[in-house]
Amino acid sequence: DTAVSQTPKYLVTQMGNDKSIKCEQNLGHDTMYWYKQDSKKFLKIMFSYNNKELIINETVPNRFSPKSPDKAHLNLHINSLELGDSAVYFCASSQVPTGRSGNTIYFGEGSWLTVV
Amino acid sequence: GNSVTQMEGPVTLSEEAFLTINCTYTATGYPSLFWYVQYPGEGLQLLLKATKADDKGSNKGFEATYRKETTSFHLEKGSVQVSDSAVYFCALLWGPYKYIFGTGTRLKVLA
Repeated sequence: DTAVSQTPKYLVTQMGNDKSIKCEQNLGHDTMYWYKQDSKKFLKIMFSYNNKELIINETVPNRFSPKSPDKAHLNLHINSLELGDSAVYFCASSQVPTGRSGNTIYFGEGSWLTVV
Repeated sequence: GNSVTQMEGPVTLSEEAFLTINCTYTATGYPSLFWYVQYPGEGLQLLLKATKADDKGSNKGFEATYRKETTSFHLEKGSVQVSDSAVYFCALLWGPYKYIFGTGTRLKVLA
């Protein structure tokens, strides 16, 4: 069973379209994230939800909207896609650490988005 | 603010060579430190971690020691293999949710 799964893995779409990427985790974690990885492999946090509540919202265009229907799911919807949105989007999850356990963050396999 | 700095790549080594990838951090308090590995076409996987000063994380022949005095968490391996070719990310966890990643270091091992 895949711990963090996201779909689709590959997505090619035209500028101006609206698309969604879905993510599910079966680890029982409270916290989920979306990261964007650019062509130089730089990994940047976009959003984080804890128990369906938005807790991290970095400087991301309003065209990006996360939705968490329950704590096991965090979907990413992107409106009016632009060329610069082409990247790999990673979903991840973690459990809020108790004490100083330094809990691991687990990543999905990524969704390769290409905007043409 | 908190940050992670790791050496720029690519790093190219011959098989069985010794590997060091440097990582230093800036953080308030006592962050946990991690190394993640990303193989081509895949997501990031935890390689090892350390949660307090002087802890040593180790896995698959890789090691890193949490050095608070030098704010470093350098990754080492005594003898690399072609299969170790990947991108390596140093990261810290500050607070319950704030994972901060370095820019990644690409390692290429030649047979």
